[in-house]
Amino acid sequence: DAGVTQSPTHLIKTRGQQVTLRCSPKSGHDTVSWYQQALGQGPQFIFQYYEEEERQRGNFPDRFSGHQFPNYSSELNVNALLLGDSALYLCASSLGQGFPSPLHFGNGTRLTVT
Amino acid sequence: AQSVAQPEDQVNVAEGNPLTVKCTYSVSGNPYLFWYVQYPNRGLQFLLKYITGDNLVKGSYGFEAEFNKSQTSFHLKKPSALVSDSALYFCAVRAESWGKLQFGAGTQVVVTP
Repeated sequence: DAGVTQSPTHLIKTRGQQVTLRCSPKSGHDTVSWYQQALGQGPQFIFQYYEEEERQRGNFPDRFSGHQFPNYSSELNVNALLLGDSALYLCASSLGQGFPSPLHFGNGTRLTVT
Repeated sequence: AQSVAQPEDQVNVAEGNPLTVKCTYSVSGNPYLFWYVQYPNRGLQFLLKYITGDNLVKGSYGFEAEFNKSQTSFHLKKPSALVSDSALYFCAVRAESWGKLQFGAGTQVVVTP
């Protein structure tokens, strides 16, 4: 039973560029959330997708956008990269919207912006 | 608004001794509380959750947590720590059954042989 998988594992980009991160949820899960974890800090909620729609969004600018596909996989896009966007980006999946199921996390994508 | 405080940046304990990691929370309504552990260069692993019911929650790897509504706390405990328990521990709270999970800043646990 595959867990949450993220790609790529590491990425180096230049300030101003755009990046796309990908996530496949745990088998049987239909909800995907994205978190940003800066060095030495706890994860910060970016947004959550369910039924291919953004259901909730954290305090992140519009440069951060996402998408969920019919197979429940998801992408996180970040435009006009800033040095401060350097972080570990974590994808988490869960089941449904009406039950407090725990999040299952992938190992993350380490993004470095130079 | 919801928030989590983990007052200790680091907890040091000798192997075999009891381990406690502290967490307090603030949320409107009934809280959904979680503990996660993170090993270097890895994602977060779920340890346990409190939704409702018994105040003492048992989780993975011998960990348990005690929910105290009057003190708005959800401390993580393990009766006998192992060196392999050395990791970064996060407490998290949610105000609804789904949606944003608010994490604390994390507590580094160091277990020495």
